Amino acid sequence: EAQVTQNPRYLITVTGKKLTVTCSQNMNHEYMSWYRQDPGLGLRQIYYSMNVEVTDKGDVPEGYKVSRKEKRNFPLILESPSPNQTSLYFCASSLLPPTRTVQFFGPGTRLTVL
Amino acid sequence: AQTVTQSQPEMSVQEAETVTLSCTYDTSESDYYLFWYKQPPSRQMILVIRQEAYKQQNATENRFSVNFQKAAKSFSLKISDSQLGDAAMYFCAYSNGAGNMLTFGGGTRLMVKP
Repeated sequence: EAQVTQNPRYLITVTGKKLTVTCSQNMNHEYMSWYRQDPGLGLRQIYYSMNVEVTDKGDVPEGYKVSRKEKRNFPLILESPSPNQTSLYFCASSLLPPTRTVQFFGPGTRLTVL
Repeated sequence: AQTVTQSQPEMSVQEAETVTLSCTYDTSESDYYLFWYKQPPSRQMILVIRQEAYKQQNATENRFSVNFQKAAKSFSLKISDSQLGDAAMYFCAYSNGAGNMLTFGGGTRLMVKP
């Protein structure tokens, strides 16, 4: 089944403890992206990747890192999480940039930073 | 920077009736794309409809249609014959011609009454 998977789905952590949220897609998509969703603000793009080893900042990259060493994986890294990073995170992928083709979204990761 | 505004945090509609969700955006670009996404309680993001700015004809997908007013920078979504399964958060989104990023509005929660 074609899908985007994220792990973990739920995570409660404490300030300053490094964490990684994994994202994997099995559709051989070139484009991958991370969003955070907060009430009243909609989804905001954190980082995106046009292809392997090519990443770029979105609207809210501060406090996050990404890497794209393989086409299928696009992990989101929080080196020193803070409470303002408590949010719902979505990974998405598409064959081409999102204007040209449908984006597939993962199921979301609910992160709470205490 | 582009902004997308959804002025209706919540809307409700009677089953089988028609409802219109509003979206306005701000851009100085001439080439861009607009989208409506649906987010049901499962939290997955589902593309509902897509509009290219250079096309004057309004996009339609079955019971979903848009009213694209380029001069007014308005992009509303009309749902006809509303069904219980239409209950969800709806997000309006914008992408410029390069298409590398999506900018989302804050969302409208649609409730459908039986």
